[in-house]
Amino acid sequence: NAGVTQTPKFRVLKTGQSMTLLCAQDMNHEYMYWYRQDPGMGLRLIHYSVGEGTTAKGEVPDGYNVSRLKKQNFLLGLESAAPSQTSVYFCASSQDRDGTQYFGPGTRLLVL
Amino acid sequence: AQRVTQPEKLLSVFKGAPVELKCNYSYSGSPELFWYVQYSRQRLQLLLRHISRESIKGFTADLNKGETSFHLKKPFAQEEDSAMYYCALLNAGGTSYGKLTFGQGTILTVHP
Repeated sequence: NAGVTQTPKFRVLKTGQSMTLLCAQDMNHEYMYWYRQDPGMGLRLIHYSVGEGTTAKGEVPDGYNVSRLKKQNFLLGLESAAPSQTSVYFCASSQDRDGTQYFGPGTRLLVL
Repeated sequence: AQRVTQPEKLLSVFKGAPVELKCNYSYSGSPELFWYVQYSRQRLQLLLRHISRESIKGFTADLNKGETSFHLKKPFAQEEDSAMYYCALLNAGGTSYGKLTFGQGTILTVHP
């Protein structure tokens, strides 16, 4: 089992460019989450999904969109990147609502 | 609103010394709390949860509802304990969907 994987590992964007981050899990988990990690801010939830075809906003959703067309994949999109979106993005999945989450390795994004 | 506070961004101890990473929370109901850890070049992973009342890698954490704290302790720190530690609180309610509120994180460095 690969667990949770994220693509790409690192990306540099110019302001205004768009991109999609891919998260995939092979554990058949229902719940998936996207976080951003910033110094001094901890992890903040961007969007989450409670099952295939569903998405919902988290704490800091502005500037991001998500889709979960397949149960194993959770995509995070930036339509028009801004320097404030420079961060490390983590995806996580969970089978239950009990707070036990499995994390991906992270994607480091730099927006110039 | 739920909140998790980790007052120390950085914590340094020497090998063999006791270590305590502080975590305070704000929540009106019965909390479920976790410690997640991220070692260098590894992904974030669950260390322990208070409901399990277990010791992992020599770490323990006791929930103190009176002081609204969930401090992580280890009597004798090891160099391999050096990592980023996050305290997290499970969001309440039937629509929480396993969402976690994370603290700001504490970087623990154990010197030889």
